[in-house]
Amino acid sequence: GESVGLHLPTLSVQEGDNSIINCAYSNSASDYFIWYKQESGKGPQFIIDIRSNMDKRQGQRVTVLLNKTVKHLSLQIAATQPGDSAVYFCAEIKGNTPLVFGKGTRLSVIA
Amino acid sequence: DAGVTQSPTHLIKTRGQQVTLRCSPKSGHDTVSWYQQALGQGPQFIFQYYEEEERQRGNFPDRFSGHQFPNYSSELNVNALLLGDSALYLCATGLGAGETQYFGPGTRLLVL
Repeated sequence: GESVGLHLPTLSVQEGDNSIINCAYSNSASDYFIWYKQESGKGPQFIIDIRSNMDKRQGQRVTVLLNKTVKHLSLQIAATQPGDSAVYFCAEIKGNTPLVFGKGTRLSVIA
Repeated sequence: DAGVTQSPTHLIKTRGQQVTLRCSPKSGHDTVSWYQQALGQGPQFIFQYYEEEERQRGNFPDRFSGHQFPNYSSELNVNALLLGDSALYLCATGLGAGETQYFGPGTRLLVL
């Protein structure tokens, strides 16, 4: 069935560097995509979303890029900070269907 | 503006018991979805409520049931608990079914 998956299970980044977290999806009919950040023992926190008719969207220190040609989604975090350490999930929405999550990528920031 | 709240934060039950978890949506939200998240996994969809009715359901047995109240808050009930039901139970709310959902802090359930 349709699924959303993540390329890498773990990512280690030096503090101050930029982070890029990738996600592949298979459902080309999705309406939009969402990135969540989940810290240990907490619920997923909404970071940013992007509709399927967009290629790029920027937030505070974060940018999401959507490449529909290769069905690829990425989250870029600028000037990564220790507080960014968490598991990051991408999820997709198509119509009224529920969110579909991948397993997540664990981002570790090295001070 | 209050976010999504869930209660209790932690819960310990024994096999065969029943449990009720509660969720209050973010202000203005009318749709509530419940997810189960096992350790190291992504959240798995249980069901979604809108206008006090279950609108969609994931691949979970009938032991999992729910309810939505007129004020949009919701409950998740699990009967005949199994050890495998131990997980973080997340509530997510949104304005409509196909819009971005915002998660609560979750309820950590441990079944012994």
